[in-house]
Amino acid sequence: EVQLVESGGGLVQPGGSLKLSCAASGFTFGRDWMGWVRQAPGQGLEWVANIKPDGSGTYYVDSVKGRFIISRDNAKNSLYLQMNSLRAEDTALYYCAKHGDYCFDNWGQGTLVTVSS
Amino acid sequence: DIVMTQTPLSSPVTLGQPATISCRSSQSLLHTNGNTYLSWLQQRPGQPPRLLIYKTSNRFSGVPDRFSGSGAGTDFTLTIARVEAEDVGVYFCMQGLQSPWTFGQGTKVEVE
Repeated sequence: EVQLVESGGGLVQPGGSLKLSCAASGFTFGRDWMGWVRQAPGQGLEWVANIKPDGSGTYYVDSVKGRFIISRDNAKNSLYLQMNSLRAEDTALYYCAKHGDYCFDNWGQGTLVTVSS
Repeated sequence: DIVMTQTPLSSPVTLGQPATISCRSSQSLLHTNGNTYLSWLQQRPGQPPRLLIYKTSNRFSGVPDRFSGSGAGTDFTLTIARVEAEDVGVYFCMQGLQSPWTFGQGTKVEVE
């Protein structure tokens, strides 16, 4: 059974930084694209970033380019999202998601990031 | 960016009756390889999203057969053949053809 468990969320001031982690199990982590998707309170879903299986390619939504960095450690079956220069509009529940066939086929429970002074 | 538009945004349904949700993309989701990369997700209250349908009409593992997807090009439909109480939640379509991957606004399915 695929399991994705996010951690690292919390309350941070505007301009601050936070690093999210996602621990994966139940599949061969190093073979799959992985991504982060966020959901602002009471709102819809927004794709944030994804990364190739070997980490050689990373892709971002325009609103986080230059501020967020997605990375992975295949030896540790872990995905990360380093978030810098955080803004109020980054407040959201952040989901770690496994790629399927041009879709997201498994999702974690999410970790909440709140950006507020 | 490809814009995904869902209708309706809210759908009151009667248990045991069918429900349909429409999704329209601002450009065709047909890939040069012949696949159409439209997926549907369900989000029950307080839960993360769950994949129901991928590549327009393929049910994901463990998804009941009362859920079906159809469509082509820019117009797609999710159908629930007979709504059950556990189907209450918000449904999203998503395109995986090109980056940035984008979602519809969501359709809330609630029991009348």
